[in-house]
Amino acid sequence: EAEVAQSPRYKITEKSQAVAFWCDPISGHATLYWYRQILGQGPELLVQFQDESVVDDSQLPKDRFSAERLKGVDSTLKIQPAELGDSAMYLCASSLAEKGRETQYFGPGTRLLVL
Amino acid sequence: AQSVTQLGSHVSVSEGALVLLRCNYSSSVPPYLFWYVQYPNQGLQLLLKYTTGATLVKGINGFEAEFKKSETSFHLTKPSAHMSDAAEYFCAVAESQGGKLIFGQGTELSVKP
Repeated sequence: EAEVAQSPRYKITEKSQAVAFWCDPISGHATLYWYRQILGQGPELLVQFQDESVVDDSQLPKDRFSAERLKGVDSTLKIQPAELGDSAMYLCASSLAEKGRETQYFGPGTRLLVL
Repeated sequence: AQSVTQLGSHVSVSEGALVLLRCNYSSSVPPYLFWYVQYPNQGLQLLLKYTTGATLVKGINGFEAEFKKSETSFHLTKPSAHMSDAAEYFCAVAESQGGKLIFGQGTELSVKP
């Protein structure tokens, strides 16, 4: 069964450092999402891609966060500089862009701890 | 704006007992509704979804949910809890199937032997 892959699974960094997370969606999935899940809360969308284009980045803190999906396949989310409040689980999800088949499938997540 | 409220951050049931996890939503358009389950340190797995049509939706692992428009609810039920059901459950709403998901705060389900 195809799955969304994410790496690393865990990351510990010091504040002001740069961190990057990688996501490889299910093959053929045109839509890719990055969510942030703070401990004890539900996930919140950071950015949504359709192929290589950004569809929604309204909740992405653009002063320190950036996301790219250059070839419309895998994606990288970067934080520079990291702050203590960025400690969270970062989840990637993907879906087909076909009507009736847009269920979002989630990866295992990257848990970030900023010290 | 859409929103989701899950009543009860923690629910505890005995093995074999009925599971009921409550979800109420707010949406200005006909909603698409989802229930996801999350096991510790893992991603989210889709349990079931409502798009259109039949209001009683059956999902995996014996779970089902009923869409009640008049009550703006989408409660999740399972007739008989199993120890393996212990996890965090999230209700979510979207304006369209491909649109962003708005999640509730989650309900942690504990199952006692």
